[in-house]
Amino acid sequence: AQKVTQAQTEISVVEKEDVTLDCVYETRDTTYYLFWYKQPPSGELVFLIRRNSFDEQNEISGRYSWNFQKSTSSFNFTITASQVVDSAVYFCAGGTSYGKLTFGQGTILTVHP
Amino acid sequence: EAQVTQNPRYLITVTGKKLTVTCSQNMNHEYMSWYRQDPGLGLRQIYYSMNVEVTDKGDVPEGYKVSRKEKRNFPLILESPSPNQTSLYFCASSLHGGRRSYNEQFFGPGTRLTVL
Repeated sequence: AQKVTQAQTEISVVEKEDVTLDCVYETRDTTYYLFWYKQPPSGELVFLIRRNSFDEQNEISGRYSWNFQKSTSSFNFTITASQVVDSAVYFCAGGTSYGKLTFGQGTILTVHP
Repeated sequence: EAQVTQNPRYLITVTGKKLTVTCSQNMNHEYMSWYRQDPGLGLRQIYYSMNVEVTDKGDVPEGYKVSRKEKRNFPLILESPSPNQTSLYFCASSLHGGRRSYNEQFFGPGTRLTVL
């Protein structure tokens, strides 16, 4: 069975603060895929990033960065200089090589002006 | 426009009355999936399909049925809905899934179902 644990249920920050969302994916598969999705207050789900288990390179996209550590099965997401528009629910998810996808419970991020 | 459509967007029904939520994608995607979203539980996968005529159970398949007769459509069927199936449902598709490497999943707008 697979399990995705997002350590924070809710995070509240003030604009321009950096914030890190933690995610741990547990699986017995050696090949798996990790994702982050954003759900803004409007409700749609927006893809942010995908990472394969055999690719441990960190990634940066603008103010967003992701750190994958296979040894700890962690796939953490950092927002630098947060903005009010970053307020959303963020989901981490893990997928196996046979198609099953498991999401974490989500982290509610509120960025105050 | 590339998209995943779901119908209806909102539905209020009564216990035991069979219903179908349709899902359609126009991107020629092989992989499709249904999720339910409940407060504090995130999204939970109900069923997924790697291709036409290939479906498999997700984490919470009880009380649901699916079919994949055509590549573009993946309806979700509740044969005898119960109040614990009141939830927000999302359909999603991606080019491939599983061994052929996951791609970005495109999500539909969601269907809010209330079972009285």
